[in-house]
Parts: sequence; structure tokens; C-alpha cells
Amino acid sequence: GAVVSQHPSWVICKSGTSVKIECRSLDFQATTMFWYRQFPKQSLMLMATSNEGSKATYEQGVEKDKFLINHASLTLSTLTVTSAHPEDSSFYICSAHGQGAPDTQYFGPGTRLTVL
Amino acid sequence: GEDVEQSLFLSVREGDSSVINCTYTDSSSTYLYWYKQEPGAGLQLLTYIFSNMDMKQDQRLTVLLNKKDKHLSLRIADTQTGDSAIYFCAERGTGGFKTIFGAGTRLFVKA
Repeated sequence: GAVVSQHPSWVICKSGTSVKIECRSLDFQATTMFWYRQFPKQSLMLMATSNEGSKATYEQGVEKDKFLINHASLTLSTLTVTSAHPEDSSFYICSAHGQGAPDTQYFGPGTRLTVL
Repeated sequence: GEDVEQSLFLSVREGDSSVINCTYTDSSSTYLYWYKQEPGAGLQLLTYIFSNMDMKQDQRLTVLLNKKDKHLSLRIADTQTGDSAIYFCAERGTGGFKTIFGAGTRLFVKA
């Protein structure tokens, strides 16, 4: 089946620094990728939809200058948390749709971000 | 707006059947999904059903869809301890790939 990877799987950073998370589709081309945030024991909250070669579409309440998304190729999307603060600590999950998987999303394993 | 609701907890004994229920509000849903999430991991697609189907069976998993009542269920036969996880119901409408998730049902399987 379709495989999506994320890197890093976990990261700890100091308050005020920026952190980049990568999402890759390993065996298919992903025209659309999604970024979600999940708080402990809660559901996934869609942050933004990322289309290759165009600007991301952010959900209401998500600061686009805070969470920078780049989808430069059909296999890679990045999420950069800028000037991270402790309240940004969360589990970030990406997913991808692609030509090989038109009916559903395939999820990455997630990245746990802890901001000290 | 669209909404998906699930009960938060379910506890069953090993070997019994588990039934996880979900309701949704979007009458234009095209696909409905069940995902499994184990601790500290991403989501794993278990199964999905098209909105024009009533039932789908895949080994131990049976999905029932009542489109009139906007009710979806997942039945796991012969539940094992390895089935302990959070199960998310999700629906996708006609406007692209955006998928709405429920809050997840935490399944506990007692040995």
C-alpha cells in the first residue's frame, strides 16, 4: 500500500526557535497533502491543505505566518513551526492523496513536538 | 458545518465482538472511513465504504452504513488484545479531499 513518512518522529526545541517537519510520499506522487494537529486524547484537527506548486489553504483559526507550509514537489511537503512556544507542543500528522490512492488519505506516523 | 460524533470508550472481553458506532451530519458524504491509531503512532486505514453501499465486510471487520439515519458502525469479530486502540470514524464530502474526523473511540480489550 501507499507509504507516507515523516521526519523527524520527535523533536524537542527551545521556545522561540523554528522547527521544520517533513512529509514524504514514498511510493506515489501526492498532489495534495494535509497537515493535522492532534492534542492528547483528542481527534485530529485539520490545519491546512497543501497542493503541489501552489499556496496552502489554511483552516479558520490557523495562523499561516506561524505554520509555514511548502509543497515544492509531488513527494514532499514541509511544515515549519516558526518561533515555537510551549502551546505549540503537539502531535503533528501529515497525510497524502495521490494518483495511486484516489479514494483515501494515507497518513504519516506523526511527529511529536515538545517546546520547552 | 459538518460534524462526526462517536462514543469515547468501549470495553469488551477478548473473543467477543466489538461494535463502534458513529453518526455524521453531511448528507453529501461520498466516502466513510474507519481508521485505527495505536499509542504514539499515526492513523492506519482499516476500511472504507462508499456512500451508495449498505455493508462491507473485510475479514473480521464489518461496516454497516445507514444513510437515512447517517449512522455508520464498525464491527470487529473475535476481538483480540491487539485490537486495543483508538478508532476514528471519518467522512469525506463531495467538495474535494477534505475529511472530517470524529473524536475517536478508545477500545479496551480485556484478556
